[in-house]
Amino acid sequence: DTAVSQTPKYLVTQMGNDKSIKCEQNLGHDTMYWYKQDSKKFLKIMFSYNNKELIINETVPNRFSPKSPDKAHLNLHINSLELGDSAVYFCASSQYSSGTGGEKLFFGSGTQLSVL
Amino acid sequence: QQQVKQSPQSLIVQKGGISIINCAYENTAFDYFPWYQQFPGKGPALLIAIRPDVSEKKEGRFTISFNKSAKQFSLHIMDSQPGDSATYFCAAKLGGSYIPTFGRGTSLIVHP
Repeated sequence: DTAVSQTPKYLVTQMGNDKSIKCEQNLGHDTMYWYKQDSKKFLKIMFSYNNKELIINETVPNRFSPKSPDKAHLNLHINSLELGDSAVYFCASSQYSSGTGGEKLFFGSGTQLSVL
Repeated sequence: QQQVKQSPQSLIVQKGGISIINCAYENTAFDYFPWYQQFPGKGPALLIAIRPDVSEKKEGRFTISFNKSAKQFSLHIMDSQPGDSATYFCAAKLGGSYIPTFGRGTSLIVHP
């Protein structure tokens, strides 16, 4: 019973194509995110949504467009894919944890995007 | 601008040894410091976290040491095991925000 699930796990496509990655969380969290992890493992926040509303939009090309149809889903659509878009994309959700005293992020298993 | 500096980039430890990963920050407005553990093919998962009002937090073999005056914090893994082999990320969060800034990660390999 996966908490944060994203599909597909692997995505291989040609430059110039448009693709989407889907994400769903069954944790009841209000906040969801998209992160990009490059080949050197650096994790970079791309977008953050709270209750279906965009609250964070880091410096990301406007070819990337998140869509949140409801609180449990946050999809990522990418237009005109470029070689530099190759990376692992992680969806996450979060809630405050009284045990740790701060927000706890729950990540999906990632989507490996390869642009040829 | 790298707000959280993590070192070393990679670490090799023998089974039973102590693994130490260090992080440093500049912004004194950070108020929450989590560590995430990531296994190959998986997303990061919260391992342990600390707030700046305490100097140490221990959970099993994992301990965070926090030095507020030096603006540094570190993760110690005691009795390191091959199953601890993973990438570890330190992070820091600004007060009023809930999005952490991640360090660049440390790849830990524990040899049996």
